[in-house]
Amino acid sequence: IAGITQAPTSQILAAGRRMTLRCTQDMRHNAMYWYRQDLGLGLRLIHYSNTAGTTGKGEVPDGYSVSRANTDDFPLTLASAVPSQTSVYFCASSDSGSGGGEQFFGPGTRLTVL
Amino acid sequence: GQNIDQPTEMTATEGAIVQINCTYQTSGFNGLFWYQQHAGEAPTFLSYNVLDGLEEKGRFSSFLSRSKGYSYLLLKELQMKDSASYLCAVSDSNYQLIWGAGTKLIIKP
Repeated sequence: IAGITQAPTSQILAAGRRMTLRCTQDMRHNAMYWYRQDLGLGLRLIHYSNTAGTTGKGEVPDGYSVSRANTDDFPLTLASAVPSQTSVYFCASSDSGSGGGEQFFGPGTRLTVL
Repeated sequence: GQNIDQPTEMTATEGAIVQINCTYQTSGFNGLFWYQQHAGEAPTFLSYNVLDGLEEKGRFSSFLSRSKGYSYLLLKELQMKDSASYLCAVSDSNYQLIWGAGTKLIIKP
């Protein structure tokens, strides 16, 4: 693995289903982030983790949950998907959660909820 | 509230120079980032400014004025591969990035 990976690349999901988006980084970065990107809007932070074992809520956390059991992995779970969660999801990581740190992005997951 | 403003779309000619502006109002300021995002791809880091002034990096330069809440990204000697969206983001008082909606730059031959 080189950098940050996400899976799946894309997914079509029925409303009400549970879905976990996977994110793994091999850069040993402390901080990780989940964003959603919708047409005409900036990236919006869903959840973040400044270090393994801790997580925090971003701007749009409702309907999503995360865990950070170790440094490398930061999965995002939709407990019961709704059509408004149709979006492109990006996972990112940075060396430090305390400013100045460039964020490195995964390739994204395109999710469609019907 | 927190707000990042940048033009939705700009058009420029190959070989020319283009300036993409970004204005911001945020709760606190811990630096401003510019990212490039090609269609269907992830954003990639271009520049970071935390002090006033101009940072030059090859064909790309970024300027910051904290007193005016203003930054610009300057792209010189435009190439077709520069066609992309350019995202402005500010690190706020909690060190979270607040993102603008992005400026789609179209390069014409």
